[in-house]
Amino acid sequence: LAKTTQPISMDSYEGQEVNITCSHNNIATNDYITWYQQFPSQGPRFIIQGYKTKVTNEVASLFIPADRKSSTLSLPRVSLSDTAVYYCLVGDKGLTGGGNKLTFGTGTQLKVEL
Amino acid sequence: DSGVTQTPKHLITATGQRVTLRCSPRSGDLSVYWYQQSLDQGLQFLIQYYNGEERAKGNILERFSAQQFPDLHSELNLSSLELGDSALYFCASSVDGQPNSPLHFGNGTRLTVT
Repeated sequence: LAKTTQPISMDSYEGQEVNITCSHNNIATNDYITWYQQFPSQGPRFIIQGYKTKVTNEVASLFIPADRKSSTLSLPRVSLSDTAVYYCLVGDKGLTGGGNKLTFGTGTQLKVEL
Repeated sequence: DSGVTQTPKHLITATGQRVTLRCSPRSGDLSVYWYQQSLDQGLQFLIQYYNGEERAKGNILERFSAQQFPDLHSELNLSSLELGDSALYFCASSVDGQPNSPLHFGNGTRLTVT
C-alpha cells in the first residue's frame, strides 16, 4: 500500500512561492500522484495530477523526480485565499478486484499571511 | 461547483437513532466513494461503489451500510448512532473508479449526534 508523508503545517506570506513536498517511497509503477486542496467545511478539490517529471496547470506545478519516491506541489505567488489543507494521494488498489481505497493522509495545513 | 450533490447539509439527531445520507454523483461518473472526516482523525475512507456494486471497503463500522442505486445515486445509512459518529460525511465521485481518476467531492453532510 502506498503511504504518503507530508509536513503537518507550513506558513508563508502573500506573494511568495510555496513548495509542499510529499514522500511516497512505496509508490507502484502504475500509480499517479494527485494533489487536493480543502477549505474548512468543504470537500477536497482536485488541484493537479502527474506521473513523472513536471506538470503545470493554471493553479500549480507538480514536480516528480525520476525515482518517483517523492513529489513537490508548487504554488506560485500565494494569496490569503490559498490558506487551506493540501493532500497528496497515491493510487491504492483495494484488495477486492477492481476496487481501490484512495487514502488521504493528514495533509499539510498551509497558512498564508499578509 | 463539483457537480456532486449531498443532502442534507446538516443533520442533528440523538444517540441510538438511524439516519440516511444521500449523494448524487457528477453527471457521467459511475463510481461513488464515501469518506468520514472528524476533527481528530482526518479523512477516513469508508466504502466505494462502481455502477451499483461495492468495490472497496475501508474502516466502515458494521452499524454503517451503503448502496448505489441503478440511477447511480448513493445512500449511506448510519444506525445505532453514537456521539463519536458526529462528523462531516463526504461523498465523492469519479468517472470510472480507477485509483488514478480524480475525485470530485460534494460539500458534505455535517452530522451531529447529541
